[in-house]
Amino acid sequence: GDQVEQSPSALSLHEGTGSALRCNFTTTMRAVQWFQQNSRGSLINLFYLASGTKENGRLKSTFNSKESYSTLHIRDAQLEDSGTYFCAAITGNTGKLIFGLGTTLQVQP
Amino acid sequence: NSKVIQTPRYLVKGQGQKAKMRCIPEKGHPVVFWYQQNKNNEFKFLINFQNQEVLQQIDMTEKRFSAECPSNSPCSLEIQSSEAGDSALYLCASSRGDTGQLYFGEGSKLTVL
Repeated sequence: GDQVEQSPSALSLHEGTGSALRCNFTTTMRAVQWFQQNSRGSLINLFYLASGTKENGRLKSTFNSKESYSTLHIRDAQLEDSGTYFCAAITGNTGKLIFGLGTTLQVQP
Repeated sequence: NSKVIQTPRYLVKGQGQKAKMRCIPEKGHPVVFWYQQNKNNEFKFLINFQNQEVLQQIDMTEKRFSAECPSNSPCSLEIQSSEAGDSALYLCASSRGDTGQLYFGEGSKLTVL
């Protein structure tokens, strides 16, 4: 079935540095959402993209539907960025999300 | 960020007991989804509604769960007879339905002893 492959599964950054997370899709997806899940379990909306690139503060995300991937760039990482990041692709007309398995980010001083 | 309200935050049940969770979607969002997130971070779609109508549900939901989204009342998801494997975070999300962007509640964490 439709799948979302997310990498890396874990990431450790020092404060002030940056990195990129990536999701590859096995089929054409209509849109992608990125979430941060905090320690309480809440899924915080970061981005929704049907195409192109969006930026919000220290975060930037791109969705390339033609090549079936999306990226989330984090720059100048802060301690509060620690958590698990999920991409989820919207497939078909039902709006159903298919999630990746997440990237656990730990930001160290 | 999100105005989807889920209750209770935590519930603990014995095997065979019923487990009921509720969700109030964001105002103006006619589409509601339920997902199950297990400890391995796997998200499983359970069921979705448009207003009061079920759009899609998986086999497990149809056989073991009772779910509804009545008008002017919270949506609910109830496991009829809890099993150990049902221990998970149950997430409710709502959407306007046009773009498909989902907004999630904080979830109900179920532990089945």
